[in-house]
Amino acid sequence: GDSVTQMEGPVTLSEEACLTINCTYTATGYPSLFWYVQYPGEGLQLLLKATKADDKGSNKGFEATYRKETTSFHLEKGSVQVSDSAVYFCALSDGGSNYKLTFGKGTLLTVNP
Amino acid sequence: DAGVTQSPTHLIKTRGQQVTLRCSPKSGHDTVSWYQQALGQGPQFIFQYYEEEERQRGNFPDRFSGHQFPNYSSELNVNALLLGDSALYLCASSLTRLASQETQYFGPGTRLLVL
Repeated sequence: GDSVTQMEGPVTLSEEACLTINCTYTATGYPSLFWYVQYPGEGLQLLLKATKADDKGSNKGFEATYRKETTSFHLEKGSVQVSDSAVYFCALSDGGSNYKLTFGKGTLLTVNP
Repeated sequence: DAGVTQSPTHLIKTRGQQVTLRCSPKSGHDTVSWYQQALGQGPQFIFQYYEEEERQRGNFPDRFSGHQFPNYSSELNVNALLLGDSALYLCASSLTRLASQETQYFGPGTRLLVL
């Protein structure tokens, strides 16, 4: 079945450091890929998405590129801020008749001033 | 534009009781999905409703049931509550166009504690 594997957290960075959170996936079809963010005490917010191979999703300085050859969708940001502290989830939605989102376990990011 | 709303925000129940959670989708959306998020874990898909019918179901027992109303809002019912049902329950809405589904948008969740 479909699965998503994220790098284990927690990740602690200083403000303005570079961020990479690794995500790899297994899917039978041609999935769409997502990064969601969850701030403390809140639900999930869509951060970015990519729907086909080589697409790059971007939002709020975050980027991720859909790499079919390595089945990866790593999240990157060049300079993190304290306000980026949150839990980040990688997810996939397999096309066709499979409508559900399959999530990774999440990566807690803490950014210190 | 109102986003996805859920009620109640918090709920405390005891083992064996039944609970109903409610969700109103984002304006213009016709599809509602429910997810269970245990502490420290990623959300797990429970089921999805479209056109008032359950379209897909995850690996959850029959104690979990749902309903979608003509206005696209939805309820999640859990019977015979177990301690392990304690979790954040997330509702997500989306728009189904033709055979595909667009991005799911999540509500703030209902935190259920079973004692």
